[in-house]
Amino acid sequence: IAGITQAPTSQILAAGRRMTLRCTQDMRHNAMYWYRQDLGLGLRLIHYSNTAGTTGKGEVPDGYSVSRANTDDFPLTLASAVPSQTSVYFCASAPESNQPQHFGDGTRLSIL
Amino acid sequence: QKEVEQNSGPLSVPEGAIASLNCTYSDRGSQSFFWYRQYSGKSPELIMSIYSNGDKEDGRFTAQLNKASQYVSLLIRDSQPSDSATYLCAVILVNSGYALNFGKGTSLLVTP
Repeated sequence: IAGITQAPTSQILAAGRRMTLRCTQDMRHNAMYWYRQDLGLGLRLIHYSNTAGTTGKGEVPDGYSVSRANTDDFPLTLASAVPSQTSVYFCASAPESNQPQHFGDGTRLSIL
Repeated sequence: QKEVEQNSGPLSVPEGAIASLNCTYSDRGSQSFFWYRQYSGKSPELIMSIYSNGDKEDGRFTAQLNKASQYVSLLIRDSQPSDSATYLCAVILVNSGYALNFGKGTSLLVTP
């Protein structure tokens, strides 16, 4: 593993199902982030974590939850998926919260 | 009004010309500014960061920051077709808990 790994790469999901997007980084970065990117709306922050054990809400947190049990992993969970959550999801990390972020390759999620 | 504003473009420049990309932001307390490049279907890639007023040069790229005018720009010299991408301006906004706020991006097309 080098950098940030996201899984799955893409997924088609039925509405109402639960889904966890995985994000793992091996750079020992303290800060991690989840964004969604939609055409015309740009990148929007869903949740963030400035250090292991802490999380915070971003611009569009509703319908999503996160946990940060350790430094490396920052999973994003959709408890009950809805079609409006169809998007491309990017995980990012930074050494500290005020430093440049580096992005994973993204997960393309379609909710039907 | 979004806190980080960019013209969506597309901005079209001939190969070899200078491309000028602009960004304005709303938070006077912001201290950290970044430019990302995103190719279609790919994740954002950090290309420049700037923290103080003035110019910062890195190869063919120059970032310019004017905090008094709340304005940051990116110049690409000797533009190449491979520079065709969407360029995202990102600002760490102090009034948003040091979260990274993105503009919607400017699409750049470099024509041979």
